[in-house]
Amino acid sequence: DQQVKQNSPSLSVQEGRISILNCDYTNSMFDYFLWYKKYPAEGPTFLISISSIKDKNEDGRFTVFLNKSAKHLSLHIVPSQPGDSAVYFCAASVGNNRKLIWGLGTSLAVNP
Amino acid sequence: DAGITQSPRHKVTETGTPVTLRCHQTENHRYMYWYRQDPGHGLRLIHYSYGVKDTDKGEVSDGYSVSRSKTEDFLLTLESATSSQTSVYFCAISGESGRSYNEQFFGPGTRLTVL
Repeated sequence: DQQVKQNSPSLSVQEGRISILNCDYTNSMFDYFLWYKKYPAEGPTFLISISSIKDKNEDGRFTVFLNKSAKHLSLHIVPSQPGDSAVYFCAASVGNNRKLIWGLGTSLAVNP
Repeated sequence: DAGITQSPRHKVTETGTPVTLRCHQTENHRYMYWYRQDPGHGLRLIHYSYGVKDTDKGEVSDGYSVSRSKTEDFLLTLESATSSQTSVYFCAISGESGRSYNEQFFGPGTRLTVL
């Protein structure tokens, strides 16, 4: 049973516009959430994270929003750039448990 | 970037042969992980280690064993490779404080093909 769900396998946006990637989770015990970006033939790289005590975290063009009541988080990329084209993974963890639970990923294509 | 290397980067082997993949880190991080990535499955945890000689199973551990005799090295062994173990394997590390506490840093991956 998938505890972290990324329901959109792919997303296509125009350069300069906003990209919104979504992630839903079922385990209310999750208290830390992360987004990773992955280019082909490379390992995933950390992008941004958020603790459950917050509802928003910003880092440059990237913002993550957390809605705990809906068990939903989203990653906003503004403005989107062609170099943002990659697979984005959402992951979650519980307390001191060092294991991450991963979504299946969303492939983002930013078109020039 | 975290200092993580994986070797080999690519390997083709035959069914029934043993295979060992190596992960080496220079960050002195306590925790190390082996994942596999397959289309439609995302990243799945195979085994992880929480210290030298301390390891535990992940969600897809059948057919795999691991060893960690030094902080810097985490080995993944396929005792008798099968075609279902054709995959891309990633090693990751995490630490005990600061940014490295919750985040995992990944190596470049090993593409394994079992014929």
